[in-house]
Amino acid sequence: GAVVSQHPSWVICKSGTSVKIECRSLDFQATTMFWYRQFPKQSLMLMATSNEGSKATYEQGVEKDKFLINHASLTLSTLTVTSAHPEDSSFYICSASVPGLLGEQFFGPGTRLTVL
Amino acid sequence: KQEVTQIPAALSVPEGENLVLNCSFTDSAIYNLQWFRQDPGKGLTSLLLIQSSQREQTSGRLNASLDKSSGRSTLYIAASQPGDSATYLCAVEGGNQFYFGTGTSLTVIP
Repeated sequence: GAVVSQHPSWVICKSGTSVKIECRSLDFQATTMFWYRQFPKQSLMLMATSNEGSKATYEQGVEKDKFLINHASLTLSTLTVTSAHPEDSSFYICSASVPGLLGEQFFGPGTRLTVL
Repeated sequence: KQEVTQIPAALSVPEGENLVLNCSFTDSAIYNLQWFRQDPGKGLTSLLLIQSSQREQTSGRLNASLDKSSGRSTLYIAASQPGDSATYLCAVEGGNQFYFGTGTSLTVIP
């Protein structure tokens, strides 16, 4: 099956710094990638939809200037958490959508971000 | 390694029927189980979250149950509507990782 990787798997950073998370589709081209986050004891929630070569579409309540998404190629999307704060500590997971009618999504293993 | 299976893979029902979607998992050591809805080309929409200490959750016409000991969860949809047509995914969280099921594609016929 299609494989999606994320890097890093976990990261600890100081408050005020920026962190970049990469999401790669390893054996297929993904025209669309999705970014999700999950706070402790809460549901996984969609943050944004990223289409290759165009600006990402953010869900309500997600700050686009804080969570920068770049989908520069059909196999790579990046999420940069700018000026991170402790409340940004969360589990971030991406998925890549296979082109086609069903739009099946394949999920990365996730990145655990802890902001001190 | 955790494995999550959903049955059936596809389901077609007439409008108004009640239906049950099934999710099974092999490792009962989970933090929680979540049910999602996926529409074509869209991101997942969270429907229900059941913590490992809970047995069920309800939201409107949706009811999800969790039996950790048997590794099963069901999503019950009452009085189905054409707008419920979508793919439904379950996912378990454990070991700092998510494990997604393969999904059930639901079609509700007007």
